[in-house]
Amino acid sequence: QSALTQPASVSGSPGQSITISCTGTSSDVGGYNYVSWYQQHPGKAPEVMIYEVSNRPSGVSSRFSGSKSGNTASLTISGLQPEDEADYYCSSYTSINIVIFGGGTKLTVL
Amino acid sequence: EVQLVESGGGLVQPGGSLRLSCAASGFTFSTYWMRWVRQAPGKGLEWVANIDQDGGNKNYVDSVKGRFTISRDNAKNSLFLQMNSLRTEDTAMYYCARDGLPTAADFWGQGTQVTVSS
Repeated sequence: QSALTQPASVSGSPGQSITISCTGTSSDVGGYNYVSWYQQHPGKAPEVMIYEVSNRPSGVSSRFSGSKSGNTASLTISGLQPEDEADYYCSSYTSINIVIFGGGTKLTVL
Repeated sequence: EVQLVESGGGLVQPGGSLRLSCAASGFTFSTYWMRWVRQAPGKGLEWVANIDQDGGNKNYVDSVKGRFTISRDNAKNSLFLQMNSLRTEDTAMYYCARDGLPTAADFWGQGTQVTVSS
């Protein structure tokens, strides 16, 4: 049950696009389309932004998109806005209903 | 409106026990998988356990197996986490969440703080 690997931090200017990677193994990210992404602002509960690799829940901005290639999933945020500054976590189900998270990525909007 | 409200956290000595509760409202509780997720101070999210709709399928992160037990009472719309043999490394904010999307949690409570310290 090792954590998924994410960069500790990324940054971008308003209006730019950024991508956060999430690397796992063939037993989790690579083996199933069960990757989700969560946004967490300081002192708040997480909110789901993407599920099943690339699906957006109702109410989530289309500026958020997800993809996957092999054992690495990615979250792309286009048209960065100040309110996007937050921590982002990827997550994957494994074959036996176990859930693992990435270590988290702090997004700074410059 | 979907609501999840956790309670039961507090300060406990190493080796002690706590029972967390999560009161659910605004949806048909008995039809959803539920999970507990924790976050140590200044650290990332860690999935702790999940449970299926009727409580027959339960899964745990390795670090809590044999010490924590997840359960639910569908008649009372409540989720529980019994935590025994607590360790200092169990100190965290504990969130309950609903698995309302395929393999993802769509609603989260605001959390209850557990501090294990002598």
